[in-house]
Amino acid sequence: GDSVTQMEGPVTLSEEAFLTINCTYTATGYPSLFWYVQYPGEGLQLLLKATKADDKGSNKGFEATYRKETTSFHLEKGSVQVSDSAVYFCALSGPGTDKLIFGTGTRLQVFP
Amino acid sequence: GAGVSQSPSNKVTEKGKDVELRCDPISGHTALYWYRQSLGQGLEFLIYFQGNSAPDKSGLPSDRFSAERTGGSVSTLTIQRTQQEDSAVYLCASTPLIGASQETQYFGPGTRLLVL
Repeated sequence: GDSVTQMEGPVTLSEEAFLTINCTYTATGYPSLFWYVQYPGEGLQLLLKATKADDKGSNKGFEATYRKETTSFHLEKGSVQVSDSAVYFCALSGPGTDKLIFGTGTRLQVFP
Repeated sequence: GAGVSQSPSNKVTEKGKDVELRCDPISGHTALYWYRQSLGQGLEFLIYFQGNSAPDKSGLPSDRFSAERTGGSVSTLTIQRTQQEDSAVYLCASTPLIGASQETQYFGPGTRLLVL
């Protein structure tokens, strides 16, 4: 079945460092890909998404590109802030099924 | 406007008791989803509603779990004869469209269930 694999955390960075969180997927057909974020004490919210190959999703300085050839959707940010500390979830939603399939989540901790 | 709301926010119950969790989706959203977030299993899909019908119940872990939706709005997830492994955060999400896998799902704050 469809699945998402993302890098284990926690990821610990200093402020202004470059961030990459790896995400790869297995799916039949062409899924939509998402990054959701859960800030401390808050609910899950969409960070960005891409619905077809080579699309780039971006928001709040974060970017991810839908790579069909490598079945990947890695999350990147050029300069992280303390306020980016959160748990990040990669997810997919396949054609014909609307449910989200999530990766295990990666906790990011950014220190000043 | 108002987001997805869930109640109660926290629930502590004894093993063997029944519990009901409620979700109020964003007004006008036709699709509603239940997920479970637990330490051991991560974020798992439970059930999906289109209007009042549930075309996908594949994630319900056992026949102790059931859900319904009435009036195309409020949904209730019921867990009968709760077990300790049911302890988790139960999340509800909604989207405005049916059959649109690329749509953003809007999540509620969750109900944290603890079974003693």
